[in-house]
Amino acid sequence: ETGVTQSPTHLIKTRGQQVTLRCSSQSGHNTVSWYQQALGQGPQFIFQYYREEENGRGNFPPRFSGLQFPNYSSELNVNALELDDSALYLCASSLGTGGLGTQYFGPGTRLTVL
Amino acid sequence: EDQVTQSPEALRLQEGESSSLNCSYTVSGLRGLFWYRQDPGKGPEFLFTLYSAGEEKEKERLKATLTKKESFLHITAPKPEDSATYLCAVQEAGTASKLTFGTGTRLQVTL
Repeated sequence: ETGVTQSPTHLIKTRGQQVTLRCSSQSGHNTVSWYQQALGQGPQFIFQYYREEENGRGNFPPRFSGLQFPNYSSELNVNALELDDSALYLCASSLGTGGLGTQYFGPGTRLTVL
Repeated sequence: EDQVTQSPEALRLQEGESSSLNCSYTVSGLRGLFWYRQDPGKGPEFLFTLYSAGEEKEKERLKATLTKKESFLHITAPKPEDSATYLCAVQEAGTASKLTFGTGTRLQVTL
């Protein structure tokens, strides 16, 4: 059974640029959630996708957007990067109707904004 | 708004010295409380889900318990490989999406 994978592992961008992060869900899982984790903090919920539709959103501005594909993989896009966007971005997959079921996390993408 | 508070922020134990980590939560209705372990620079690793007060779950040297206001993660006779940050998260009933996390307890186990 393949676990959650994310790419890239690390990324360095400059302020104002745009970035796309990718996530492949665990085999058989149909729901993907994205979290942002600043250094020394717990993960903060960005949004969740279920059956290619957004199924809940946290307190993040619209420049954070996402997609889910028919194979349940997902992308997180961030426009107009700010210094405070530097963080570990985590993807989690789960099985169930819109988030029910345990969320299993990938290894994360470390984004640095200069 | 859901709130999760974990204590202590950091804990240093000697190998074999048992202790407990606390997670206090405020939520309108609890769907589930989750414990994860996170190693530096890596994603959280799932440990336990607890659904109702009085429930207990065990895995090797770890045991998680749940009351209506808090959860405890008991670590019995820890080993250095148990060193990690332990995260607690809650999922509110009616919102089958987000997990709300605490800031974690950093555990260091020394020889």
